[in-house]
Amino acid sequence: QQQVKQSPQSLIVQKGGISIINCAYENTAFDYFPWYQQFPGKGPALLIAIRPDVSEKKEGRFTISFNKSAKQFSLHIMDSQPGDSATYFCAALNSGGYQKVTFGTGTKLQVIP
Amino acid sequence: DGGITQSPKYLFRKEGQNVTLSCEQNLNHDAMYWYRQDPGQGLRLIYYSQIVNDFQKGDIAEGYSVSREKKESFPLTVTSAQKNPTAFYLCASSIAGANTGELFFGEGSRLTVL
Repeated sequence: QQQVKQSPQSLIVQKGGISIINCAYENTAFDYFPWYQQFPGKGPALLIAIRPDVSEKKEGRFTISFNKSAKQFSLHIMDSQPGDSATYFCAALNSGGYQKVTFGTGTKLQVIP
Repeated sequence: DGGITQSPKYLFRKEGQNVTLSCEQNLNHDAMYWYRQDPGQGLRLIYYSQIVNDFQKGDIAEGYSVSREKKESFPLTVTSAQKNPTAFYLCASSIAGANTGELFFGEGSRLTVL
């Protein structure tokens, strides 16, 4: 049972372009939505996170947009750079319980010069 | 430097053999986790532990075992009962009760069954 659906599976963007990754969740008990970034051969690292009481959160070139009614959220990478090439995972958890994080299936982003 | 150390980085195993993956952390975190990563399937939780001498099954615990005798250590044994053990294994830790979704990951161990 995939509780967090992520798309696309892979994405190629030109340098300077906007990368967009979409996620949808089913469990309405989820109330915290982090994004992780993973470089090849490394473990994932927390990139940015959002709670559903806000519709948007921006940190530098990275923005999360959140649509609570549609149970969807997305990551936008503005002015994409080759150094952004990595696999991105959306995730969700119920912050009221123990820290069980449910991950999406991942999006492999390649930014070409 | 504080962090999570996984070893070995690469491991080859013959069918029918058990293998143990090491995970050590010096972040003073109470909670530790093991995830399995397969292409196109994201990260799936195998086992987690919120405190020493206690651990719980995750979503795909069959064929795996763990122990938590020390706060710093959370080794994972992949047993011969695991039908498809070839995968990338990630250990993580977090502050118990933080509920921020922030997991600190090691660099992983890649297991290949020959």
